[in-house]
Amino acid sequence: EDKVVQSPLSLVVHEGDTVTLNCSYEVTNFRSLLWYKQEKKAPTFLFMLTSSGIEKKSGRLSSILDKKELFSILNITATQTGDSAVYLCAVEAGSYGQNFVFGPGTRLSVLP
Amino acid sequence: DAGVTQSPTHLIKTRGQQVTLRCSPKSGHDTVSWYQQALGQGPQFIFQYYEEEERQRGNFPDRFSGHQFPNYSSELNVNALLLGDSALYLCASSLLGSPTNEKLFFGSGTQLSVL
Repeated sequence: EDKVVQSPLSLVVHEGDTVTLNCSYEVTNFRSLLWYKQEKKAPTFLFMLTSSGIEKKSGRLSSILDKKELFSILNITATQTGDSAVYLCAVEAGSYGQNFVFGPGTRLSVLP
Repeated sequence: DAGVTQSPTHLIKTRGQQVTLRCSPKSGHDTVSWYQQALGQGPQFIFQYYEEEERQRGNFPDRFSGHQFPNYSSELNVNALLLGDSALYLCASSLLGSPTNEKLFFGSGTQLSVL
């Protein structure tokens, strides 16, 4: 059975701290790994990763994939209160594609 | 350009009732997927519709059914509601085979409470 695990499940930091969120997976026919930010209801897209070792960056956020060890990390530097959210990792797998298995999410709280 | 729209935003039902949730995909998208997100958990894949047919299905009972219309909008139906069906139901649209960087575009969801 396809599985995505995220750690930690929750994290409390202060503004300015750097955080690393982890995502590991066991799926058949891996196609891509996506990171989403969910603040209230609709998850919003952050990154899509398909190749090992290539870092994706957007402002203070960055992410990288290791397809050999089956994991990805999401880094957030100089955290701000607006970064408080649930961060979801999703892995696209299966024969037909567009079948996404989500992890439970990491709830990040950034205190002022 | 409207994104993914879902209706209603909130719904309260009692056990045994039936419910229909609606979703309009982002303009230009042809595929709609439905997810169930229980409190404190990640979204779980229910099923996916493309060309008005169910293309893939997750591990959900037959009480969960759907439909896609020629204009690509979609409905999710749940029969014989159980307390455990209480969750946020998310609709996500995509363009099948798209090479673009964003594969799932989510709506804001329908919060279903079963009493």
